[in-house]
Amino acid sequence: GQQLNQSPQSMFIQEGEDVSMNCTSSSIFNTWLWYKQEPGEGPVLLIALYKAGELTSNGRLTAQFGITRKDSFLNISASIPSDVGIYFCAGPYAGNKLTFGGGTRVLVKP
Amino acid sequence: DAGVTQSPTHLIKTRGQQVTLRCSPKSGHDTVSWYQQALGQGPQFIFQYYEEEERQRGNFPDRFSGHQFPNYSSELNVNALLLGDSALYLCASSPGTGDTGELFFGEGSRLTVL
Repeated sequence: GQQLNQSPQSMFIQEGEDVSMNCTSSSIFNTWLWYKQEPGEGPVLLIALYKAGELTSNGRLTAQFGITRKDSFLNISASIPSDVGIYFCAGPYAGNKLTFGGGTRVLVKP
Repeated sequence: DAGVTQSPTHLIKTRGQQVTLRCSPKSGHDTVSWYQQALGQGPQFIFQYYEEEERQRGNFPDRFSGHQFPNYSSELNVNALLLGDSALYLCASSPGTGDTGELFFGEGSRLTVL
């Protein structure tokens, strides 16, 4: 299958700050998706992107579909404690098979 | 409106045994996909069921099999369990087989193989 690389692997957030993470692939995707997974839960879809260059927001979250169609970015503005979790980028290939990145783990700065 | 429900939530098996996991899709959804999520990794696609048939399959051995029932619920069966099969097994549902990737996931079944 296709491989998605996410960075950073983990990050600490302080309440109120803006954070960003990205996802890259060696292959082109026609759709980029961002999911969030909290402990004991399954992933939940945050944002779906369908067009190269597209910028889409969902509350304090903003994601962009890279022009090359090989990358995507997710930004969280004004972090709050409930933003803690693992954020996965994902893209469908060969129909409806969804490939996921390794995730960016967001933790609260002690 | 119930979301995707999975059972059991946790189970422990020993090597060589067989396991069956169950999933009920979100109301109005007719397609079920199964994913395996090893600790610290992203989910990996196992297979997808639509109209009671396996439509797509990921890179998993034949020990992994499934079934979809007329009410759209689904089962995942794993035979001859290996230690490496220990993982969170996620069921996801969607309306139709469109390739949008917009899936609704259940909370998963955590399988531990000893």
